[in-house]
Amino acid sequence: QKEVEQNSGPLSVPEGAIASLNCTYSDRGSQSFFWYRQYSGKSPELIMFIYSNGDKEDGRFTAQLNKASQYVSLLIRDSQPSDSATYLCASRWGYKLSFGAGTTVTVRA
Amino acid sequence: ETGVTQSPTHLIKTRGQQVTLRCSSQSGHNTVSWYQQALGQGPQFIFQYYREEENGRGNFPPRFSGLQFPNYSSELNVNALELDDSALYLCASSFGGSAQETQYFGPGTRLLVL
Repeated sequence: QKEVEQNSGPLSVPEGAIASLNCTYSDRGSQSFFWYRQYSGKSPELIMFIYSNGDKEDGRFTAQLNKASQYVSLLIRDSQPSDSATYLCASRWGYKLSFGAGTTVTVRA
Repeated sequence: ETGVTQSPTHLIKTRGQQVTLRCSSQSGHNTVSWYQQALGQGPQFIFQYYREEENGRGNFPPRFSGLQFPNYSSELNVNALELDDSALYLCASSFGGSAQETQYFGPGTRLLVL
C-alpha cells in the first residue's frame, strides 16, 4: 500500500469552476500535510500546509483535513488557466515527507 | 523564488560513473532533504541532513550518499550510476525542529544516465 494516494487524473475543469483534489494517507502518525503545485519541467512549489482537522483557506485555495478518515483535500475556487499543473499531496512523519504521484489539472479557457 | 539553489541544472553521465549534485539552502534554514523524482511520479525521499548529520534515510542503496557543510549547503553523491537513476533530483531546505516544518524546493537537477 502506498503511503499517500491521490485521485487519478487528469482532471479537466472549465475556467471559473471549482477543482477538487483528494488525497488519502496510510500512516496515522502523520503530523502535517502539504499541497505542492508543479508545473511541467519545474520543481514543486508549496501552496499550503495543514496540520489540524478542519478547513484552512488561503486566497482561492482551501485545504481540508480529516484525520479520522485519513483524508486531505484541496479545493481551487475560480480556477484559472494558470492553475493548470500537477498537484502533489504530501504527508510528514518526523523528518520524512511522503508524496503521492500527483493529479494533473487542466483548466479550459 | 524560494532562495534554494541547485547545480548543475542538467547533467548527462554514463552507466557506472559517479556524480555529485549540489544544493544551497535558503537563508536561515538548517536542514536539507534530497528527493528523486522519476517521470510521472511524486518525489521519493532519499535522505535528510540536519546540522551536518544524516537525520533519516529513505529506501535508497548506500551508493547514494551525502554531506552537509557548516553553512548548511549540501551535496548528493551517487556512485556506480545505473540507467534507473535518470530522474529529477530535488533538494528542499527547511528550518528543522518545528512541528510545522515546511520544506521549500530548489529548481532541481535533471540527470540522464546513458
